[in-house]
Amino acid sequence: AQKVTQAQTEISVVEKEDVTLDCVYETRDTTYYLFWYKQPPSGELVFLIRRNSFDEQNEISGRYSWNFQKSTSSFNFTITASQVVDSAVYFCALTLEMRNEKLTFGTGTRLTIIP
Amino acid sequence: NAGVTQTPKFQVLKTGQSMTLQCAQDMNHNSMYWYRQDPGMGLRLIYYSASEGTTDKGEVPNGYNVSRLNKREFSLRLESAAPSQTSVYFCASSDPRDRYSNQPQHFGDGTRLSIL
Repeated sequence: AQKVTQAQTEISVVEKEDVTLDCVYETRDTTYYLFWYKQPPSGELVFLIRRNSFDEQNEISGRYSWNFQKSTSSFNFTITASQVVDSAVYFCALTLEMRNEKLTFGTGTRLTIIP
Repeated sequence: NAGVTQTPKFQVLKTGQSMTLQCAQDMNHNSMYWYRQDPGMGLRLIYYSASEGTTDKGEVPNGYNVSRLNKREFSLRLESAAPSQTSVYFCASSDPRDRYSNQPQHFGDGTRLSIL
């Protein structure tokens, strides 16, 4: 069975600092898909990114970047120049199947940006 | 707007009461899911339905039943609510043929359920 570990339960940083959220996954399959979701205080889940196991290119989207390293089974998320609106709980998730996409979630990291 | 609609948004029950959480999607998706979110636990899959007429257990199915009424609707029933079922419940849908398939699952806004 697969597993996703987000060891950082809570992180607080001062606004404009950079912050990295860690995600470590476990699976024996060679094909899998990794995701990050944001859950702001309002409670909805906001999809941020999907990454396939066969694509190790890092991704940058504005202030967000993701570092996928199969050698360490990690898919870390960095926010550059953090803003108060980035305050949320962030979840990393994994699925083995794209047809029936049962997601295995990590326990989440609560990020607080201090103004 | 297209998406996943959950009703109700909030509910308080007494132990032993029954309740059905409703979920409907208008994206013509084949697959639908029910998750529960508890503090410190992330989201855990309760049941899923790969297509109309089929349902399968997820990680935490005990105490729940589901019905895939049609392609649009997937309901979650608590026959005899227990305090341990106090949680936020999320419904989701997906389809790999979805032209927005880079987004794997579309989530509803959640139902906050409290069992006293």
